Amino acid sequence: EDQVTQSPEALRLQEGESSSLNCSYTVSGLRGLFWYRQDPGKGPEFLFTLYSAGEEKEKERLKATLTKKESFLHITAPKPEDSATYLCAVQGYGGSQGNLIFGKGTKLSVKP
Amino acid sequence: NAGVTQTPKFQVLKTGQSMTLQCAQDMNHNSMYWYRQDPGMGLRLIYYSASEGTTDKGEVPNGYNVSRLNKREFSLRLESAAPSQTSVYFCASPQGRATEAFFGQGTRLTVV
Repeated sequence: EDQVTQSPEALRLQEGESSSLNCSYTVSGLRGLFWYRQDPGKGPEFLFTLYSAGEEKEKERLKATLTKKESFLHITAPKPEDSATYLCAVQGYGGSQGNLIFGKGTKLSVKP
Repeated sequence: NAGVTQTPKFQVLKTGQSMTLQCAQDMNHNSMYWYRQDPGMGLRLIYYSASEGTTDKGEVPNGYNVSRLNKREFSLRLESAAPSQTSVYFCASPQGRATEAFFGQGTRLTVV
């Protein structure tokens, strides 16, 4: 069964304090791993797709990396506007009918 | 460019009432999805439609029905609402396999 586990559930940072969010996954053949950002009262907003181990992608203060078992979302020198819930999802070739399976998310709070 | 549009944004139902949640996308995508999001549970797939004229069950289909009216529209119906269906419902549409999914703004449903 395809599964996604995100940690920690919540993370509080001071502005400028870098950290990482973890996404551990099990999937029957990885088609893609996705990171989304969700602000309160809104739908998830796409950030990155990673397809194979060793791949990295960056966008402003965010950098996503991928291994065969987990992905990290590194946040460098975060700002208060980075506060949001970050969702990780996987899509496999076989299980779960090839649909997106989401983790429960990490709620990030960045204090000025 | 609206992307994915959901209506209504908020709804309160009494137990046993029925209603239909509407979703429309203007991106000419084949696939459309309905998710529910509950605190501590993450996003869970209710139903999906891989193409016009096809629908399939997801992880939590009980108590729901769907209709893929045409390529643009995918509706979710609750025939007899129950308090357990209190949730935030999201419609999503990916560009294709292993590509980013675009989400609507959500429908916040309360069943009393």
